[in-house]
Amino acid sequence: EPEVTQTPSHQVTQMGQEVILRCVPISNHLYFYWYRQILGQKVEFLVSFYNNEISEKSEIFDDQFSVERPDGSNFTLKIRSTKLEDSAMYFCASKVVGANTGELFFGEGSRLTVL
Amino acid sequence: GDSVTQMEGPVTLSEEAFLTINCTYTATGYPSLFWYVQYPGEGLQLLLKATKADDKGSNKGFEATYRKETTSFHLEKGSVQVSDSAVYFCALSPTTDSWGKLQFGAGTQVVVTP
Repeated sequence: EPEVTQTPSHQVTQMGQEVILRCVPISNHLYFYWYRQILGQKVEFLVSFYNNEISEKSEIFDDQFSVERPDGSNFTLKIRSTKLEDSAMYFCASKVVGANTGELFFGEGSRLTVL
Repeated sequence: GDSVTQMEGPVTLSEEAFLTINCTYTATGYPSLFWYVQYPGEGLQLLLKATKADDKGSNKGFEATYRKETTSFHLEKGSVQVSDSAVYFCALSPTTDSWGKLQFGAGTQVVVTP
C-alpha cells in the first residue's frame, strides 16, 4: 500500500542550527502539508502546498520556516534557525487532486529535539 | 475560530469492553468531521468521516454520528480488542476550505488490556 515516508525519524540539533525535514508523498498526490505536534499539545497545521507554491500557512509558519519541492518526489520543510520551542513531532501529509474532504495521508512523523 | 475538544486520556479498558470517546466542536457553517487513529510507531490514519449532519461514519467496528444539534461526533466501538490500542484524534475541516487544513483535537490515548 502506498505510504508517505519521512526522514529522519528523529533529529537532535542545537539551537540556532538549520534543520531540513524530508518527506516523500504518495506518488499521485499533488497537495502536500506539514503539521506539527508539540509534546502534550494538539496537532497543528503549518502549511499547505500545491502547484509548487504555498496555498495556505498558519501563524506558526513564520519567516524561519520554508517549504520546497526540489524534485518530483521530495517535499521538504526547512527551519532556518531553530529555537527551543520548535521541538515537536513534525508530520508530512499528502492528498490526491480533487479530494476536498480532508482525507489526508500522513507519514510517521519526524521528531525534532532542539537543545 | 474553529476548534475541537475531545476527552482526555488515557482511557484504559479490558478487551471486549465498550469504548466511547467524546468529541465536540465549534465551527461556523457545516464542517466535515473526522476521526484519525495513530497506532504505535505509525502515522495518523483516517478511521472514519462524516460530511453532513446525521451522517454516520463507520470503519473497523467503530462508528461516529455527526450531531449538529449537540455539535458532537463521539466515537464508539462495541467490543474493543488489544489491537485497538492507539491514540485517537477528532478533527474538522471547514466547509469552505478545499485545501485539507484540519483542526485537530488533543488526541485520546486508548489502552486495551487482555
